[in-house]
Amino acid sequence: QSVLTQPPSVSGAPGQRVTISCTGSSSNIGAGYDLHWYQHLPGTAPKLLIYGNNNRPSGVPDRFSGSKSGTSASLAITGLQGEDEADYYCQSYDSSLSGSVFGGGTKLTVL
Amino acid sequence: QVQLQESGPGLVKSSETLSLTCTVSGVFITNYYWSWIRQSPGKGLEWIGFLYYTGTTNYNPSLRSRVTMSLDTSKNQFSLKLNSVTAADTAVYYCARLLDYSTSSPFDHWGQGTLVTVSS
Repeated sequence: QSVLTQPPSVSGAPGQRVTISCTGSSSNIGAGYDLHWYQHLPGTAPKLLIYGNNNRPSGVPDRFSGSKSGTSASLAITGLQGEDEADYYCQSYDSSLSGSVFGGGTKLTVL
Repeated sequence: QVQLQESGPGLVKSSETLSLTCTVSGVFITNYYWSWIRQSPGKGLEWIGFLYYTGTTNYNPSLRSRVTMSLDTSKNQFSLKLNSVTAADTAVYYCARLLDYSTSSPFDHWGQGTLVTVSS
């Protein structure tokens, strides 16, 4: 059971918009700690997609955006493309565990 | 550019010690915090711990009693040792760099990962 909760899977057709939620608690997201998102293709290195809740590293398309409110956060992907099919993970810090925590991951399928 | 590469045995016997090394290129390891993360088959990512060249470490409480991380600045490498392994420690192990010194720093560079299987 992951500290941060994500839906196991989401799907969308090319061109559509999808969102992936990440729910935490008062000891992580709710405590104001930054929330980050990663894109992971099996067999490759996870890629930092969004950091500090809503910032994109250089090279990440603006189709990807993040938001945070209360004890939850969301990743939105607009103009869905086949290459977006991957696993997505959220990550933050948890003061109870005194360390980094990840969500269980969400598999995005592009129909 | 920054590159990380994990290396070590792909097969470890149960009750023995898992040892992995991460070789860093493109930056000096003394300038950043470094971490190990793993992913068990069919499961999500699990943070193992981080370390800094000063010797500062922080380990996942669930693994703290079995984990040791260290650095070799002369080789620009850092290492992970996990003792008394069981089948539950079978996973792909990633080394990663923390973007900054904040407690909630993201991991901005990752290795490709190395699969370690614990056999009985």
